[in-house]
Amino acid sequence: GQQVMQIPQYQHVQEGEDFTTYCNSSTTLSNIQWYKQRPGGHPVFLIQLVKSGEVKKQKRLTFQFGEAKKNSSLHITATQTTDVGTYFCAGHGYSGAGSYQLTFGKGTKLSVIP
Amino acid sequence: KAGVTQTPRYLIKTRGQQVTLSCSPISGHRSVSWYQQTPGQGLQFLFEYFSETQRNKGNFPGRFSGRQFSNSRSEMNVSTLELGDSALYLCASSGTSGRNNEQFFGPGTRLTVL
Repeated sequence: GQQVMQIPQYQHVQEGEDFTTYCNSSTTLSNIQWYKQRPGGHPVFLIQLVKSGEVKKQKRLTFQFGEAKKNSSLHITATQTTDVGTYFCAGHGYSGAGSYQLTFGKGTKLSVIP
Repeated sequence: KAGVTQTPRYLIKTRGQQVTLSCSPISGHRSVSWYQQTPGQGLQFLFEYFSETQRNKGNFPGRFSGRQFSNSRSEMNVSTLELGDSALYLCASSGTSGRNNEQFFGPGTRLTVL
């Protein structure tokens, strides 16, 4: 079945440093979504990328979808303590019979040292 | 609009028992998905229901089952509980089923199996 790998598993950064998490799928994806889960909270949708090579920005966050639609990245510029949490990628892949299944990566837990 | 609600929030059971968890989606949302979240395995897809029909199923044993009612509320049942079933069970709703659906997560039910 479809697998989505995400690295690194953990990242500790000094406040103000940049952060990147990478996501790779074993199969071509229809789209990829990114979620953020704060400690003790639930995942919250950040963004969806659909087109090959797509790049989207949200303030200090930059999201990319690979040309082959099998990989993606999230880059945070100048991290702040409010960025703390676990970032998940989730890829929609075809699961047969006209259905698409969302498969989550295991997430990257970001810690920001003030 | 009220968000996704899940009840109960916390549950303690013993091995061999069964449990039923409930999820009320955002008003107007017809798709409900269930996920199991554990520190080791991350977010794993259990199943998705849309208009009372199971659309997708993850790779979980038959002890895990679900259903959806005509008002889109959903329940999941786990029978013959095992220690490894201890996890955060998250429900997510979306407006449609398919590949461009942003998932809105509820706060989760924390299940502990003793």
